[in-house]
Amino acid sequence: EPEVTQTPSHQVTQMGQEVILRCVPISNHLYFYWYRQILGQKVEFLVSFYNNEISEKSEIFDDQFSVERPDGSNFTLKIRSTKLEDSAMYFCASEVADTQYFGPGTRLTVL
Amino acid sequence: AQKVTQAQTEISVVEKEDVTLDCVYETRDTTYYLFWYKQPPSGELVFLIRRNSFDEQNEISGRYSWNFQKSTSSFNFTITASQVVDSAVYFCALRDSNYQLIWGAGTKLIIKP
Repeated sequence: EPEVTQTPSHQVTQMGQEVILRCVPISNHLYFYWYRQILGQKVEFLVSFYNNEISEKSEIFDDQFSVERPDGSNFTLKIRSTKLEDSAMYFCASEVADTQYFGPGTRLTVL
Repeated sequence: AQKVTQAQTEISVVEKEDVTLDCVYETRDTTYYLFWYKQPPSGELVFLIRRNSFDEQNEISGRYSWNFQKSTSSFNFTITASQVVDSAVYFCALRDSNYQLIWGAGTKLIIKP
């Protein structure tokens, strides 16, 4: 069964550094999403992406964040200058038939 | 405003007991979808069920069942004859007209042997 995959599973970075989180959505899906979950808290929407552009973004998704689909298979989330409060689990999802399927997540730790 | 409330922060039961997880939602949309996801200790989010707002039929899948009541804006989830492997955090979510998922805070379910 096709799955959403994410790399790396865990990323440790220093405050102020740039990180790129990678996702490979399920191949026939057209809508893609990033969510984050701070430890022990609820899942929060970051951004949705369709037809090679952002459809919606939340207040969390400020100028430090960007998304890209560079090659038709990968879907990346870049954080330009990480802050301590960016430490969280980041989930990618892709959607078909009104249902979002999630990757296993990348745990980002900012020191 | 769109909102999902899972009032039960944590539930602990003994194996083989039945348990119901509550979910109440608020939305102004007439067309919407409701979901349940399971987050086991390993951390991934596992899709369990999708319900659209026009389909109020209850659904059963093995030991899992869901009760959608539009009149009370609730979408409750029952596990019958619970097992230790059911231990996880369960999230209820609402998909709004912008396609994003709005999540409840989750209910941590502990099944003791």
